Amino acid sequence: KAGVTQTPRYLIKTRGQQVTLSCSPISGHRSVSWYQQTPGQGLQFLFEYFSETQRNKGNFPGRFSGRQFSNSRSEMNVSTLELGDSALYLCASSLDWGFQPQHFGDGTRLSIL
Amino acid sequence: GQQVMQIPQYQHVQEGEDFTTYCNSSTTLSNIQWYKQRPGGHPVFLIQLVKSGEVKKQKRLTFQFGEAKKNSSLHITATQTTDVGTYFCAGRSPPGTYKYIFGTGTRLKVLA
Repeated sequence: KAGVTQTPRYLIKTRGQQVTLSCSPISGHRSVSWYQQTPGQGLQFLFEYFSETQRNKGNFPGRFSGRQFSNSRSEMNVSTLELGDSALYLCASSLDWGFQPQHFGDGTRLSIL
Repeated sequence: GQQVMQIPQYQHVQEGEDFTTYCNSSTTLSNIQWYKQRPGGHPVFLIQLVKSGEVKKQKRLTFQFGEAKKNSSLHITATQTTDVGTYFCAGRSPPGTYKYIFGTGTRLKVLA
C-alpha cells in the first residue's frame, strides 16, 4: 500500500509570496493533519481535516490555511510568506480523526529567501 | 500554554548500552503516543498508551505511562545502531481536545 505522498519535496519562495503544498493520504485514510517542523520549535500542529472539514487547529496565524477534498487529498496554503516560515512541512494521515496513530509523509522543505 | 518537555535532549550511547528518554507534560494527558524519526526521515508511529500506569513492550523497547498521566518514558535495552534517531512523545492538549502537541524530542546516537 502506498504511503503518504507530499508534493513538492522542495520549494524556494521569496517573502510576500504565497505557496500551496499538497498531500495524498494512504488509501482509506480519511483524516489528514499538517505539521511544521523547525530546529527551534520542533514539531508543531497546524490543523487536521476529516471529511472535508477542519476538525482541529493549532496556534498559527490566519496566513496558514488548508482544505481537504472529497477524495481525502489535502492542500495547505501559506500566504504572505515570511522568513520564519522556512521549515519542513509534514502531512500525516490516519483512519479517523482525533488522537489516532498517524502516518507521516516525507514532507515539503520550504525555504524563504 | 501546555508544554511537553523531553529529557535528555541528546544522548550518545555505546552499542549494547541501555537508553531511556523521559516525557513530561505540564498538564494531564488523555493519552500519549511515541514516534521515531530517523535522520532525514519522517516520524514513524511506535505505540500509543492510554491507561494510567500502562506499560507496553515491543521487543527491546518498553513504554510506560505515569500514574498521574503527566509523564511517560521509553526505555531501549541493549541499543543497536538501528536505534539511531530522534524519539518524540505526543499528547492530546489540552485534555478533551484533539490538538496534538509533540514533545521536544530526544536525539539518540549509538556508537558502534
